[in-house]
Amino acid sequence: AQKITQTQPGMFVQEKEAVTLDCTYDTSDPSYGLFWYKQPSSGEMIFLIYQGSYDQQNATEGRYSLNFQKARKSANLVISASQLGDSAMYFCAMRERGNRDDKIIFGKGTRLHILP
Amino acid sequence: DAGVIQSPRHEVTEMGQEVTLRCKPISGHNSLFWYRQTMMRGLELLIYFNNNVPIDDSGMPEDRFSAKMPNASFSTLKIQPSEPRDSAVYFCASNDSPGGPSTDTQYFGPGTRLTVL
Repeated sequence: AQKITQTQPGMFVQEKEAVTLDCTYDTSDPSYGLFWYKQPSSGEMIFLIYQGSYDQQNATEGRYSLNFQKARKSANLVISASQLGDSAMYFCAMRERGNRDDKIIFGKGTRLHILP
Repeated sequence: DAGVIQSPRHEVTEMGQEVTLRCKPISGHNSLFWYRQTMMRGLELLIYFNNNVPIDDSGMPEDRFSAKMPNASFSTLKIQPSEPRDSAVYFCASNDSPGGPSTDTQYFGPGTRLTVL
């Protein structure tokens, strides 16, 4: 079974609209971290936002926020007021801390297209 | 503060040649990761090191691939002999030792785009 599921292979959104990118995860570890990365066409992997499983509040970083619903095992990324420069591939990822393993598990990604 | 540094950024070589990719992690980071990204397979973890020691190399595709980390500030990924199917973008990433939320995040280098003809 996949540990990270991103069900939207591609999305088209009008500029200035808000965007929600879906991510669900599967773990039995009570302690874990969730991440979102952005990969623009230039290819680099850019860290956007982090949420710890014990964090009480949803993480926010500028226009990015993580809608963390622990019971649903959901960690959707919300981008407010989208811009043309937000067009990129977005990866959701998870690290399970209980196994003392540094590895991060990545989803397959969602390609976001912002339309002018 | 410099991020993860990789070299070369682009490499074009012929089948059968040896290829060496280099990575300098962020200073102070204790863990280093090598990934490969292709359209077909997405992002794959090849190997990772903690305190210069290889911890998990289960993702290394075959014996043609080898990785070393002789010290805390340098790692290499070598492919010998290279094959066309090795063509991909190879990323290096680093993070601090596990222990808390601020140390979970991996920071990626710009990647090396390898083309094997």
